[in-house]
Amino acid sequence: NAGVTQTPKFRVLKTGQSMTLLCAQDMNHEYMYWYRQDPGMGLRLIHYSVGEGTTAKGEVPDGYNVSRLKKQNFLLGLESAAPSQTSVYFCASSPGQEAFFGQGTRLTVV
Amino acid sequence: SQKIEQNSEALNIQEGKTATLTCNYTNYSPAYLQWYRQDPGRGPVFLLLIRENEKEKRKERLKVTFDTTLKQSLFHITASQPADSATYLCAWRNTGTASKLTFGTGTRLQVTL
Repeated sequence: NAGVTQTPKFRVLKTGQSMTLLCAQDMNHEYMYWYRQDPGMGLRLIHYSVGEGTTAKGEVPDGYNVSRLKKQNFLLGLESAAPSQTSVYFCASSPGQEAFFGQGTRLTVV
Repeated sequence: SQKIEQNSEALNIQEGKTATLTCNYTNYSPAYLQWYRQDPGRGPVFLLLIRENEKEKRKERLKVTFDTTLKQSLFHITASQPADSATYLCAWRNTGTASKLTFGTGTRLQVTL
C-alpha cells in the first residue's frame, strides 16, 4: 500500500518551460488536493477535486491547471513556468476528513 | 473568506513540560479542525481531528480543545520529548461537497533537554 505518490521528487525548469506533476493515490479517496508551500506562507491550496472528472480553484490557482481523468490520479500542470512558481508542491488525498500527503516535489524555476 | 491563524511562529520548551499551541479562525465556525505534524523535507501527517460540537479530544499524549466562542483550538503535548520537535499545522475543513482544506502557517516546536 503506497499511499500518495508524487512524481517527480525534484525538478529544475527554465522560465517559460512547461511541466506536469503527477499525483497518484491507491486508497480510493474521492478528494484530492494540490498545495504549494513557501517559507513563512504555510500550505496554500492551488486546486482541488471532489471526485473523478471534477476540479475547482483554490487560493492560488493562477498559472496552474489540473485534471482528474481517473479517480486515482490528479495532475498539476504549469504551462509557462515563472520564477515565482519555485516552491515545494504537495499533493494530498482524503476520504472526507483527514488528509494523506505525498512526500512533495521540490521545483526550482530559473 | 476563512482565515486560519497560528500566532506563534516558534515555540521552545523544555523536555517534560506541556507544549500548548494555538489556532484561531476568523469567520465561519468550521465543521472540523484538524492538527498535523510536519517534519523537515516531509509531507504533513494527520494527528487529530475535532468537530465543532466537541469540546475536547485526546490521543495518547496529545489533547485538542475547541472553543467556538473564542474561535480557537488549543493543541497540547504533555510530557514533551525531543522527538516531538516538528512543525505543527492547524487545518480547517468546511462541510458540503466543496470540501476545501485550509491550513494555517504552522508553529515550529523545539523541545530541548
